[in-house]
Amino acid sequence: DTGVSQDPRHKITKRGQNVTFRCDPISEHNRLYWYRQTLGQGPEFLTYFQNEAQLEKSRLLSDRFSAERPKGSFSTLEIQRTEQGDSAMYLCASSLHSGANVLTFGAGSRLTVL
Amino acid sequence: DQQVKQNSPSLSVQEGRISILNCDYTNSMFDYFLWYKKYPAEGPTFLISISSIKDKNEDGRFTVFLNKSAKHLSLHIVPSQPGDSAVYFCAARYGNKLVFGAGTILRVKS
Repeated sequence: DTGVSQDPRHKITKRGQNVTFRCDPISEHNRLYWYRQTLGQGPEFLTYFQNEAQLEKSRLLSDRFSAERPKGSFSTLEIQRTEQGDSAMYLCASSLHSGANVLTFGAGSRLTVL
Repeated sequence: DQQVKQNSPSLSVQEGRISILNCDYTNSMFDYFLWYKKYPAEGPTFLISISSIKDKNEDGRFTVFLNKSAKHLSLHIVPSQPGDSAVYFCAARYGNKLVFGAGTILRVKS
């Protein structure tokens, strides 16, 4: 197992375009999280899944954002009609539902909106 | 509303000496606290955690101290090594998610 994989690593797009990020978690992990990190800040929670169910969404997740985790395996995060303020690193993490709930993060997908 | 604060943006330490990274929080409902380390172009990696019912947890060169009355925790790295140079994030668990501080850049000089 190679850990949490994210694709693409870097995406440059024009304002108004749609973008989609993919995350492949550690196979035995039942929880999957999306976080967003901007320059000089720590990761901010966006949403999480337990298996295929999306159980919690942050206020940061506007209606232009949608996340899915079909069949409880990989997940996608889509941003529609991108805005310059969406420019950030989008981090995916996975965990087992136990103990401290330690999250294992991927390397992230960096979005630049021009 | 910053519930987890790391007030020192950066810290510089000589190799072999102790590094102390600090974190303050405001929410008494946090039940676990974690430290993550992040190198450039990589995601954060887990270092060490502590339950809110403990006051100390040690793992090799890393020790985390929790002072619940002060709502303060600290990470001690002894001895510091150049490879420890990274951004360190404090995180606190609330419900099913982690709330992160803004991070402290640690530079260990050789």
